Amino acid sequence: GAVVSQHPSRVICKSGTSVKIECRSLDFQATTMFWYRQFPKQSLMLMATSNEGSKATYEQGVEKDKFLINHASLTLSTLTVTSAHPEDSSFYICSATGTGGTSISNQPQHFGDGTRLSIL
Amino acid sequence: DAKTTQPTSMDCAEGRAANLPCNHSTISGNEYVYWYRQIHSQGPQYIIHGLKNNETNEMASLIITEDRKSSTLILPHATLRDTAVYYCIVRVGGYGKLTFGQGTILTVHP
Repeated sequence: GAVVSQHPSRVICKSGTSVKIECRSLDFQATTMFWYRQFPKQSLMLMATSNEGSKATYEQGVEKDKFLINHASLTLSTLTVTSAHPEDSSFYICSATGTGGTSISNQPQHFGDGTRLSIL
Repeated sequence: DAKTTQPTSMDCAEGRAANLPCNHSTISGNEYVYWYRQIHSQGPQYIIHGLKNNETNEMASLIITEDRKSSTLILPHATLRDTAVYYCIVRVGGYGKLTFGQGTILTVHP
């Protein structure tokens, strides 16, 4: 089955540092990748959508200068949380949709196992 | 976006079928119904999806009503490992993003 790998699984760092999270599709080419954030006891909230080779599309209220997304290849997207602060502590999850199929609506998204970010 | 309504929580005995309902009365003709589940502290896991017809795979069955306004996810023989939050999502056509609601917390007990 389709596998999405996310790294690191957990990171703890000091306030003010930048953190990069990687999302890789291991056995398929991901034309589109999505980044979500989930706070405790809440549902997933979509942050942005990235398409290979183009700029990411951010959801309303998400600061694009703070959450930098790069999707340079069909198997890798990265999310960089710049100048992270305690309020950025959250569970960050990526997902990917592959090529093929007759419609993007018919392609299931496959999710990574998430990155738990803790900012001290 | 077509929104979905799910019960907040459900219980099921181990070995019995778990039937999780979902209402999506404003679904459009080209929108699919997707089901995912999230076990604590993990990323969501894809279960199944469908458009009009009932679907079955190794994990579950999806029953969609003829008017497409509701659906039911069936786990035929629930195990303790099926305890999770189950999300019913209608996929926005042509764009691909998923909008997660609060889902149903399914607890499978011995």
